[in-house]
Amino acid sequence: RKEVEQDPGPFNVPEGATVAFNCTYSNSASQSFFWYRQDCRKEPKLLMSVYSSGNEDGRFTAQLNRASQYISLLIRDSKLSDSATYLCVVARRYNNNDMRFGAGTRLTVKP
Amino acid sequence: DVKVTQSSRYLVKRTGEKVFLECVQDMDHENMFWYRQDPGLGLRLIYFSYDVKMKEKGDIPEGYSVSREKKERFSLILESASTNQTSMYLCASSLGPAPYEQYFGPGTRLTVT
Repeated sequence: RKEVEQDPGPFNVPEGATVAFNCTYSNSASQSFFWYRQDCRKEPKLLMSVYSSGNEDGRFTAQLNRASQYISLLIRDSKLSDSATYLCVVARRYNNNDMRFGAGTRLTVKP
Repeated sequence: DVKVTQSSRYLVKRTGEKVFLECVQDMDHENMFWYRQDPGLGLRLIYFSYDVKMKEKGDIPEGYSVSREKKERFSLILESASTNQTSMYLCASSLGPAPYEQYFGPGTRLTVT
């Protein structure tokens, strides 16, 4: 079983739609959580960190559920430019370099 | 802006060749990483370095070695390339360990024939 699991998709949604991705992690000692975005044939870039209380950045909302060991990302009012692969990333311990990446969820937003 | 550069975008090598992948960052970051990315598997950590001449194995170090002689440069070496090392190789750097952000280079698509 992979340490970080994501639904690979693809998710195909119309512009303006709300879409949610989930990610589960198996290591209960994991401390830091992130969503990275990777455009086609480009490098991953940090989208947002995920905090215990949940956090929002514009149209993006991230939630963490430690009890169930999952992280979610909600995108409201989808734009064409949101089309990308979204990577769930978990650091095994705080202050640790060992990050585990999910295989990614692909999103395509259509006009 | 942090910039991470990798020596080649595409590379084709033959089985048994020694391969060097170079990565340079310009932000004086302490930590540097090498990952490989394969479809369905995500990014997997090969090695990372937290200081000059310091290195630690990641998940899949077999068949690879690394070198960090200067803070800004981190090299990945395939001692004897094999076809199962055909992959996208991504270098990253960060100011510190998690939760610091990792900044990635554009990647090197290596094909071993």
